[in-house]
Parts: sequence; structure tokens; C-alpha cells
Amino acid sequence: QQPVQSPQAVILREGEDAVINCSSSKALYSVHWYRQKHGEAPVFLMILLKGGEQKGHEKISASFNEKKQQSSLYLTASQLSYSGTYFCHNSGGSNYKLTFGKGTLLTVNP
Amino acid sequence: ETGVTQSPTHLIKTRGQQVTLRCSSQSGHNTVSWYQQALGQGPQFIFQYYREEENGRGNFPPRFSGLQFPNYSSELNVNALELDDSALYLCASSPPRGQLGYTFGSGTRLTVV
Repeated sequence: QQPVQSPQAVILREGEDAVINCSSSKALYSVHWYRQKHGEAPVFLMILLKGGEQKGHEKISASFNEKKQQSSLYLTASQLSYSGTYFCHNSGGSNYKLTFGKGTLLTVNP
Repeated sequence: ETGVTQSPTHLIKTRGQQVTLRCSSQSGHNTVSWYQQALGQGPQFIFQYYREEENGRGNFPPRFSGLQFPNYSSELNVNALELDDSALYLCASSPPRGQLGYTFGSGTRLTVV
């Protein structure tokens, strides 16, 4: 089952904050977040494991709510380099059937 | 450390033909996953290989097949190509079970005409 991401697109000015959400109808065992710039491969940002803590990477952090089967990615004080499409990606346990969401296009303008 | 390399970068094939795409995994990674990404869409999981065995498969027909070799490199084979197979094919490698995330190659752009 494909995780559902929201919003589909967001436009920010440099320095503004954004939240991207990812939810699943099936139990999540782990959630990965990736960023893909146009014409490039997805780049791993972070992983959140079931029972794990909130992870952070500079001004990008994420949370994982196992009960609600949701994860959120927080981007604070956005920079131009944050522009790209953000994907969440869940793994469903032992069968390792790996599914990406449809992505959230983030555009940061000067 | 070397990253994930894929070859070729671009490919044009005719409907009905067969194609083989190649992927060298990042050093120390023994798990390889293949994804198909259509324009404007998220990557779709094709299958994953771990220690030379298929370890999970997405909703792709049997004409999509793969191999993993003892050095953990991998091939994706697609038979009887269809126009809808035109896409970017991404290979990603990881330590076992992807606990540290996946490292993606730059992909192979396949066009079926």
C-alpha cells in the first residue's frame, strides 16, 4: 500500500518553515525520507524506526507516530538547496515490500 | 568509497525487444533494490535481492526479472518491452534490510519506441 503524502506541493521563501506528512493504512515498521532534485537520483535524508526516537539532520528533522501510522518531516529556516521532491518510503516488515509515496514538491524561492 | 553505478545511462529500444540494465552496489552493501520511476511519479518497487536471492517483489509481471552476483552487483532484465516500460530505472543498494537507508544510482533512462 502506497503511503499518502501531503501536501502535494509547497512554495516557500528562503527562511520559512515547512512540514510534510506521510501516512499509511498499513502498519509502518520504518520510514525513510528522501529528497530528489530534478534529473537526479533520490538522496537519503534519514530513517525512523519503530520504537525509535525523532531523528534530525541539521535543520531537517522528522517524527514517527506508530499508533497513527504517520511520519512528518520538518524543514526549518529553509534554504534554496532544500528545493526538490521529498518522498517518504516505508518498509512493511518481513516481506520488505518497499513503497514510496507520490512525493511532495518543495520550491524555495529567494 | 564508491557509490552505486548504473549502466547504461540512456537506452532506446523497440517494442518487443529485451533489455538488460546493470548496477554495481556501493562497497559494503549486500542488498540491491530496483525501482521504476515514471515521469512525475514516485519510484515503484520492482524487486530486491539479498545474497543473490530475490527478497521481495512489487507488482510487476514476470517479464521483469533480475539477478544478483556474488560481488553483489545486479542486473534487471525486461523481456517483451512495452511502450509503458519507458521510464527511469533506479538501482539502490543498502546494508542488510536497509537499516541505514538506501544509496541510489543515477538511473538508466529507458525509452521504448
